[in-house]
Amino acid sequence: QKEVEQNSGPLSVPEGAIASLNCTYSDRGSQSFFWYRQYSGKSPELIMSIYSNGDKEDGRFTAQLNKASQYVSLLIRDSQPSDSATYLCAVKTGFQKLVFGTGTRLLVSP
Amino acid sequence: KAGVTQTPRYLIKTRGQQVTLSCSPISGHRSVSWYQQTPGQGLQFLFEYFSETQRNKGNFPGRFSGRQFSNSRSEMNVSTLELGDSALYLCASSSRTGGFDEQYFGPGTRLTVT
Repeated sequence: QKEVEQNSGPLSVPEGAIASLNCTYSDRGSQSFFWYRQYSGKSPELIMSIYSNGDKEDGRFTAQLNKASQYVSLLIRDSQPSDSATYLCAVKTGFQKLVFGTGTRLLVSP
Repeated sequence: KAGVTQTPRYLIKTRGQQVTLSCSPISGHRSVSWYQQTPGQGLQFLFEYFSETQRNKGNFPGRFSGRQFSNSRSEMNVSTLELGDSALYLCASSSRTGGFDEQYFGPGTRLTVT
């Protein structure tokens, strides 16, 4: 079992729709969770961090964390073509290493 | 605040050679982590340095090494390069204070081994 799992996609949504990206993790001792966006040929850019159960909203982005289910998600409201990128879920494990999923490719069509 | 900088941005080396990559963290950040990104393996953790000490290490062979200087700048070295070392090498810095540990990435160094 991989430490952090994401569906590789691509996830295709029309412009203006809600994109839902999901991530599961295996280490129950994990305390910190992050979402990064990576455009092709660029480095990852931090877009959200979440540390406690529940929802955290920042503009069009909402991160959701459920530690009991070991599940993290990212919702992007009013998706724009500029949101087309690979979204990486990252989890700080109990061993204090930041482990990344392989990413979900999001395609937003005009 | 200036972001994380990495030099060089691109590098072509031959098998068997060695290479040194440099990373300057965001001002005030004392933690620097290094990652290797390849299409097949994704982002893999190499090591983390904090206050000149290696805090954590990933599952890479001993050919991969690093260090951190008193000004928090970090270098990583790969000796006896192999074709499989071709990758994007990313460094990320964080403040590691207050229980939060958000890491910010530099632009990366694209290494090609021929």
